[in-house]
Amino acid sequence: GQQLNQSPQSMFIQEGEDVSMNCTSSSIFNTWLWYKQDPGEGPVLLIALYKAGELTSNGRLTAQFGITRKDSFLNISASIPSDVGIYFCAGRTQGGSEKLVFGKGTKLTVNP
Amino acid sequence: DAGVIQSPRHEVTEMGQEVTLRCKPISGHDYLFWYRQTMMRGLELLIYFNNNVPIDDSGMPEDRFSAKMPNASFSTLKIQPSEPRDSAVYFCASSFGPRRSDGYTFGSGTRLTVV
Repeated sequence: GQQLNQSPQSMFIQEGEDVSMNCTSSSIFNTWLWYKQDPGEGPVLLIALYKAGELTSNGRLTAQFGITRKDSFLNISASIPSDVGIYFCAGRTQGGSEKLVFGKGTKLTVNP
Repeated sequence: DAGVIQSPRHEVTEMGQEVTLRCKPISGHDYLFWYRQTMMRGLELLIYFNNNVPIDDSGMPEDRFSAKMPNASFSTLKIQPSEPRDSAVYFCASSFGPRRSDGYTFGSGTRLTVV
């Protein structure tokens, strides 16, 4: 089946540092989504991308839809302790299916 | 809207017992999804419904798992009999579907422990 390769698996950073994570796929996606999961909660949508090359920001978060439509990245600038959590990428392939494919997640730890 | 509501939040049961997880999707959402999350396998899609009809149940592990959606505002995931390897967090999510590209809204999950 379709798979998303998300990296890195985990990151340990100091407060104030910038963070970058990415997802790649062997398939073409027409939608890329980035979610964050806090401990004990379900994933929450952060950013949605709909066009190749699209760059979208949400506060300190910036995400891009790769030109090849097979990758996406998420950057977090000036990290703060509440950025701690697991970040998931997800993609929807062409064809109109509502099924999302999820990456395995990047676990972020921010040291104060 | 109160979001996707799941119950119970935590369930501890003995091996062999029947377990029923419940979900109320967001009103107006046409799609409902059941996911299982474990450390080893991440988020796995078990089954999803469109307009209360099961569309893809290829992720349901085995016959011990069953899911129903009797109406637009309620769904259940049942495990009978439960086994220790079923221990995981089970999420329900809902969405408008391809007509709106908003992604899924997840519930807070049910943490299931089978001892």
